[in-house]
Amino acid sequence: DAKTTQPTSMDCAEGRAANLPCNHSTISGNEYVYWYRQIHSQGPQYIIHGLKNNETNEMASLIITEDRKSSTLILPHATLRDTAVYYCIVRDMKTSYDKVIFGPGTSLSVIP
Amino acid sequence: DVKVTQSSRYLVKRTGEKVFLECVQDMDHENMFWYRQDPGLGLRLIYFSYDVKMKEKGDIPEGYSVSREKKERFSLILESASTNQTSMYLCASSPNRGAFFGQGTRLTVV
Repeated sequence: DAKTTQPTSMDCAEGRAANLPCNHSTISGNEYVYWYRQIHSQGPQYIIHGLKNNETNEMASLIITEDRKSSTLILPHATLRDTAVYYCIVRDMKTSYDKVIFGPGTSLSVIP
Repeated sequence: DVKVTQSSRYLVKRTGEKVFLECVQDMDHENMFWYRQDPGLGLRLIYFSYDVKMKEKGDIPEGYSVSREKKERFSLILESASTNQTSMYLCASSPNRGAFFGQGTRLTVV
């Protein structure tokens, strides 16, 4: 079973920030938070990951709460091309025996 | 860039046929995965492999087997294809940075 819960769907106006939440209340100390997205008919694409510090790259920012039980993916200026399903997962990077289980994700619709 | 290549984008097979789905990665990753994706059910893990000749069942292994004879190649086998195996199949490989996915194979069993 997936260790994360996310809202089923969200809307965001084009040009505004999209904030996608994820709960991972049972996360353990060795587990990282990863975000992927899947645009229709394509394979999932890696976005960003983090352990406990906030992270930023060219695609997004990741904010992890201090207790690590939840996180938020931020797309700072959403475009129509950001319409996709976004998956939040946790992965134990101390072991190579890591299943990588996906939940149903959040379907983000960016509206003109 | 990391490349994960699946042998076919679209495939149509008959019920009872033996089907091979091939996946190759070019980055020397140890972990490889096979998922299927169906509307409303999301990505479900079928099998994964964390080393050559090593395999572990995922959440839905029934009706499938896998083979990992070389590090770069992970094959998914449908011993006797059935219509309920019509689906999108996605392969992934994974270093520590994140799993990289192929483009998927849309398999239709008729």
